[in-house]
Amino acid sequence: GNSVTQMEGPVTLSEEAFLTINCTYTATGYPSLFWYVQYPGEGLQLLLKATKADDKGSNKGFEATYRKETTSFHLEKGSVQVSDSAVYFCALRGSNDYKLSFGAGTTVTVRA
Amino acid sequence: GAVVSQHPSRVICKSGTSVKIECRSLDFQATTMFWYRQFPKQSLMLMATSNEGSKATYEQGVEKDKFLINHASLTLSTLTVTSAHPEDSSFYICSAAGTGGYEQFFGPGTRLTVL
Repeated sequence: GNSVTQMEGPVTLSEEAFLTINCTYTATGYPSLFWYVQYPGEGLQLLLKATKADDKGSNKGFEATYRKETTSFHLEKGSVQVSDSAVYFCALRGSNDYKLSFGAGTTVTVRA
Repeated sequence: GAVVSQHPSRVICKSGTSVKIECRSLDFQATTMFWYRQFPKQSLMLMATSNEGSKATYEQGVEKDKFLINHASLTLSTLTVTSAHPEDSSFYICSAAGTGGYEQFFGPGTRLTVL
């Protein structure tokens, strides 16, 4: 079945530091890949997505590239802000399927 | 576009009572809705998938008689936690997908506390 393995946190950074959160997946066919962000006490917001190999998703300074050869979708941001403090979830959706498989989530705390 | 709301955002109830949580798609028709449960500092666990006008499909280990799901219209799904107990305390999140594709749009979540 489909599964997502995500770098465990928590991750604590200083403002303007570089952030990377590793995500690898196992799936058959050609899944779509997502990063969601969850701020304290809130639901999930879609941060970015990629639907085919070599696609790069980007939003709010975050980027992730769909690498089929390494089955990875690592999230990166070059200069984090305090407002980026949140829990980040990597997720996968199989071809022709609604169901999402989530990673365990990575808590990121950015300190001023 | 693609806004999903949940009501209430927080609810506290006594053990043994039932609680209903609503999930609404505000600006699109949701043919499929999903209910998730999230324990503190953990990932989302899919509880069930519901299609409008059909019975919900529950994931393994989820008690269908305990967690009643109704998807009576294309904009509303409800989750009723029956005879709630403290171990049912959790964060419940719904999502909805429309006719345009498979993407899910998430609600803001409902914090349930059972005393």
